[in-house]
Amino acid sequence: EAGVAQSPRYKIIEKRQSVAFWCNPISGHATLYWYQQILGQGPKLLIQFQNNGVVDDSQLPKDRFSAERLKGVDSTLKIQPAKLEDSAVYLCASSSGQGMLGTGELFFGEGSRLTVL
Amino acid sequence: QKEVEQDPGPLSVPEGAIVSLNCTYSNSAFQYFMWYRQYSRKGPELLMYTYSSGNKEDGRFTAQVDKSSKYISLFIRDSQPSDSATYLCAMKNSSASKIIFGSGTRLSIRP
Repeated sequence: EAGVAQSPRYKIIEKRQSVAFWCNPISGHATLYWYQQILGQGPKLLIQFQNNGVVDDSQLPKDRFSAERLKGVDSTLKIQPAKLEDSAVYLCASSSGQGMLGTGELFFGEGSRLTVL
Repeated sequence: QKEVEQDPGPLSVPEGAIVSLNCTYSNSAFQYFMWYRQYSRKGPELLMYTYSSGNKEDGRFTAQVDKSSKYISLFIRDSQPSDSATYLCAMKNSSASKIIFGSGTRLSIRP
């Protein structure tokens, strides 16, 4: 079974520039998440999709971040304009939502590491 | 006060030692308690989970939950260099609710 695919793995941009990250979840997983992980911290949820609908985007800085999941499969996360404090690893995860743990079993991609200069 | 507190470490122990990793939490509604392991430059992966209180054992790993103290632990027996990673505790209220992660403890096992 293929895992969660993310690209690009690394990106370096200047502040005020824009960047986009792409995620392809595990086939059949209805729930998709974008997390932000700053160095030395745990992952922080930015947005959660159930199929192509948004379930939770309460911690997404909507003035600069946007995300979409067209057709309920792939997803993109965009930052425009980027700030220095956006330097982090952006992790995509998916979940089937099945089993006792429900949406607690997340399958993460390797992440996209963003450096804003 | 953060909902989930975890000592960031780093923690360095010799191979073969017993490792104890801990988290405290403030939300008494948490019912599901998870441990994720994250190798350097990789995404986290689910290691173990426990529902409500009690212990759960899986090979060299044991997860404990003490809801009265709002304290959870992960024990690693006969630690191996391959166990070197960051360990993240995580919790949630119900099967469908959002996961709250701790900040992670960086563990290094010395050969």
